[in-house]
Order: sequence, then structure tokens, then C-alpha cells
Amino acid sequence: DSGVTQTPKHLITATGQRVTLRCSPRSGDLSVYWYQQSLDQGLQFLIQYYNGEERAKGNILERFSAQQFPDLHSELNLSSLELGDSALYFCASSARDRPNNEQFFGPGTRLTVL
Amino acid sequence: QQPVQSPQAVILREGEDAVINCSSSKALYSVHWYRQKHGEAPVFLMILLKGGEQKGHEKISASFNEKKQQSSLYLTASQLSYSGTYFCGTVPNAGGTSYGKLTFGQGTILTVHP
Repeated sequence: DSGVTQTPKHLITATGQRVTLRCSPRSGDLSVYWYQQSLDQGLQFLIQYYNGEERAKGNILERFSAQQFPDLHSELNLSSLELGDSALYFCASSARDRPNNEQFFGPGTRLTVL
Repeated sequence: QQPVQSPQAVILREGEDAVINCSSSKALYSVHWYRQKHGEAPVFLMILLKGGEQKGHEKISASFNEKKQQSSLYLTASQLSYSGTYFCGTVPNAGGTSYGKLTFGQGTILTVHP
């Protein structure tokens, strides 16, 4: 158990809908990262927050947005869902926002778009 | 630019050794290694930093050649529990602006048989 929690574990929804994925980092960690894992694209970085502020962005679609709240939990919002958005979404946390910090992954949310 | 891992897959018997390589076209600050079992979260194994510092797993070793931008993960006396997909994640040497954003390789599938 990494100490990072994610809810829900599974999410099944229809095209065009909007969903919110939630992540709570390990106790004491200030940085949260979101990754998407699909069969054809592999493990891809989406976005990073540090202490409430956006730090880095990857190839995140405009339909996707995220935020980190004062209690440090983070939410990833996915809207106008398409079939291709079906994937495993992981959240990871690290102590700070430095490249020498270990990142610990949560159990993931499996999103299925029908 | 995604780092390239080799080989794509390895099959071993218990007790045998394996080496997994990760190569980048960019100058790197750090290389992170993870193991992922099917349907589960990636588990942190090791981080290697430019300058030679290492942090991570006691029973797994790795190297980082800064001149060649290559890292190798050494799995010795393999156990059944070593089976899974191994990913390297790289952080470019970007003068402090990379913030720990990981770019992952495509993965190496390791299977250990009794």
C-alpha cells in the first residue's frame, strides 16, 4: 500500500458525459501527478500540482482539467467523454516538486466509456 | 521524447538474471524505475540521479550512464514475484523546470517461471 488513495476504483459512463476522479496524496506529500495508462499510448503524464498550484502539463486534452485543494487532495475532471478516453487513470504523489523525489502511485481508477 | 526500453520481453526461470535497458535522446536529470503487475499500480523500485546518487530497493540494482543517457536495471537470482512489466521514467535535465514530470518508456514484460 503506497498511502495514496483514489476513488472511485471503477467508473462506467457513456459518451458525452462528465466525470470526476479523486486522489488523496500520502500524508505530508505536497505534489500530485496525474497519469493516464491505455493499451495504445502506454503510461502518459497529464498534469502536476504542487501545494495547490499547477506545476507542469503534459499532453492533457482541453476537455480535461484538474485542481488541487487546500487539504492537498486533487481532482481530475474529464468532460465530453469519448470512447478513446477509456483508460486507467493513476494519481501519484511526492514530497516536493523536485525531479529527485520518489513518486508513489495510487491504485488507479479504471474508466470505461460506452 | 519517450525513452526506449529493451528488450520488449524477457522470459526467465527462477534464479536466472536479467538486465533491462532504458535509453533517452535527451540529457537526463534522473531515471526512475517501476514494476507493475497486471491491473495494479506501478510500484517504485529505484531512482538514479545525475552525479551518481541512488535511492531505492535493497535487492535490485541499477546503473545510470550520464554520458550515454542510458540506465540499466539488474535483476539477479530472479524470483517468481519479479514477474511484471518494468517501466523506466525519465526526467530531463531542464535547468529546474521539469519539476519531476516523468516520461515513461513502453515497458519490458518480465516473466519468471518455476
